[in-house]
Formats: sequence, C-alpha cells, structure tokens
Amino acid sequence: GENVEQHPSTLSVQEGDSAVIKCTYSDSASNYFPWYKQELGKGPQLIIDIRSNVGEKKDQRIAVTLNKTAKHFSLHITETQPEDSAVYFCAAPKTSYDKVIFGPGTSLSVIP
Amino acid sequence: GAGVSQTPSNKVTEKGKYVELRCDPISGHTALYWYRQSLGQGPEFLIYFQGTGAADDSGLPNDRFFAVRPEGSVSTLKIQRTERGDSAVYLCASAVGREASTQYFGPGTRLTVL
Repeated sequence: GENVEQHPSTLSVQEGDSAVIKCTYSDSASNYFPWYKQELGKGPQLIIDIRSNVGEKKDQRIAVTLNKTAKHFSLHITETQPEDSAVYFCAAPKTSYDKVIFGPGTSLSVIP
Repeated sequence: GAGVSQTPSNKVTEKGKYVELRCDPISGHTALYWYRQSLGQGPEFLIYFQGTGAADDSGLPNDRFFAVRPEGSVSTLKIQRTERGDSAVYLCASAVGREASTQYFGPGTRLTVL
C-alpha cells in the first residue's frame, strides 16, 4: 500500500493569512489525491481532490497542486477563517473508490 | 437527503464482551468502508464491501473482528471478546462505487472498552 507523509503536523495562522499543508507519497501507481477535513466529533469530509492528469485545481479559497514527478501534493487555503480550524488529512489511493490510507493529519488553528 | 448514519453514537462495554456497530450507507451506494480512528491519529482502514461481498478485508486486525453486509445496504461490524485496545472511533463511509466516486463518511461510533 501507499505510504503517505504529511507536514506540518500542527499549523497555526492568523485569520486572513494563507495556510499550506504538504503531502508526499511513495506509490507511483497512485492516481487520486483527496484532501479531507475533520472537525471535532465528526467524520472526515472531502473538501477537494485532484487526479493525476491535472496539476492544479481550485475551489473558492481552497486549491490543491500536484507534482507527480516529485510525488507530492499540497493543500492551499487562502483568506483563512476560524471555521477552517480542523484536522486535515491527505491520502493517495489508486482510485477514488479504493480504500483510503490516510496521512497522519495536520491540525490547523486559525486565530481570530 | 440523508447521509451515512451510524448507531450507536457511543458504546461503552466491558473487556471480554461482544459488540455490534451498525452503518446505514447512503441509499444506492454499492461501496461501503469501515475505518477505525484512535485519538490523535488518522483513520485506519479495516474492510471494504462492494455490494454484499467483502472486496478487501486486509485491514481487520485479527479474527475477533468481523463485518457483514447481507443485503448490500446496511453493514454491521462485530467485535468479539473486546479488549481495551479496541477503544476507538469506528467510522463508516459509503461511495457510489464507480470511478470518480467520493467516499462519504458517517459521524462514527465511539467505542470504549473498560
């Protein structure tokens, strides 16, 4: 299975600043790269995903970039808001319906 | 429309007891997944169903854990002779099952083994 590493493990930013979380993976067969947000007491929720044939995808304040050669992808959140505070997980399964092997997570705190 | 639901939301049991955790997937979703999440860690894959059959059970930690999905909808995760180390949040997710399918997670069942 794939091995996913995630950095940083914790991140604290001021409201309005940007946040970047980076993931690296080892399995070259990985073709689908989702990012999940998990709030306290809730299950993970998919917030954005990207497939291997695309280098960047954006959805309002959230973007994901993929470098398949280097085997890393990043989550970018701009104009952060307190409600962005949560734990964020990346994953790198082969397909979108394959089992998800989660990274260790990044705890993001947005300070008002 | 309803999302994935899991019952109970909390379960406290004693070491050695048997427990069942239930997952109701989104209607029409053929794929169903169970994960386990310990405090401060990411969810850990347990088992994946496609329809009624277990397509991948490589994540089940030992033979005390078993899951069924007899009619291809509701699934039950069964844990025999529970141990304190089984304490965790058990998450269920469902997906349409085709390519380009998103996994939708339920809120989880928090299991505490005393």
